[in-house]
Amino acid sequence: GAVVSQHPSWVICKSGTSVKIECRSLDFQATTMFWYRQFPKQSLMLMATSNEGSKATYEQGVEKDKFLINHASLTLSTLTVTSAHPEDSSFYICSARAPQDQPQHFGDGTRLSIL
Amino acid sequence: AQKVTQAQTEISVVEKEDVTLDCVYETRDTTYYLFWYKQPPSGELVFLIRRNSFDEQNEISGRYSWNFQKSTSSFNFTITASQVVDSAVYFCALRGDSNYKLTFGKGTLLTVNP
Repeated sequence: GAVVSQHPSWVICKSGTSVKIECRSLDFQATTMFWYRQFPKQSLMLMATSNEGSKATYEQGVEKDKFLINHASLTLSTLTVTSAHPEDSSFYICSARAPQDQPQHFGDGTRLSIL
Repeated sequence: AQKVTQAQTEISVVEKEDVTLDCVYETRDTTYYLFWYKQPPSGELVFLIRRNSFDEQNEISGRYSWNFQKSTSSFNFTITASQVVDSAVYFCALRGDSNYKLTFGKGTLLTVNP
């Protein structure tokens, strides 16, 4: 079945560092990918919709300059958390729109801890 | 606007008990899709089921069953003869027909005790 790979699975870094998270669709082309954020014991909140070859669409309240999204190919979307601070610590999870109207396929998530 | 309500924040049962997780949704779309996902402590989301708004048939898959009722805008999930491995957070989600965005409920933490 369709698989989405997310890397890295865990990041710990110092405040002020920029962190890049990759989301790859391994066996299908994903024109649309989604980035979610999940705080501990809370639900998944959609941050942005990533469209191949065009600018991402951000949800209300999400800082575009803070969370840079690039979807340069049909199999890769990246989320860069710029100048990360402790409040950016969270679980970030991506998903890809699968072909033929299949359910979204989720990556395994990235736990980001900013010290 | 779309909304998914999972009123049960936490449920604790003893192994072999049956348990039902509630999900109520709101949408203005005439065509929509409902989902259930399982999130174990490791964090990944495991897809369980998708239902479209035109298919109100209940579904059974092993120990899992789903009851979709459009009249009450509910899509409840029952686990029969629960097992310790069923312990996880379960999310109900909704997607409209106009885009592929998923709206998640707040999740229900299910703990199955031996």
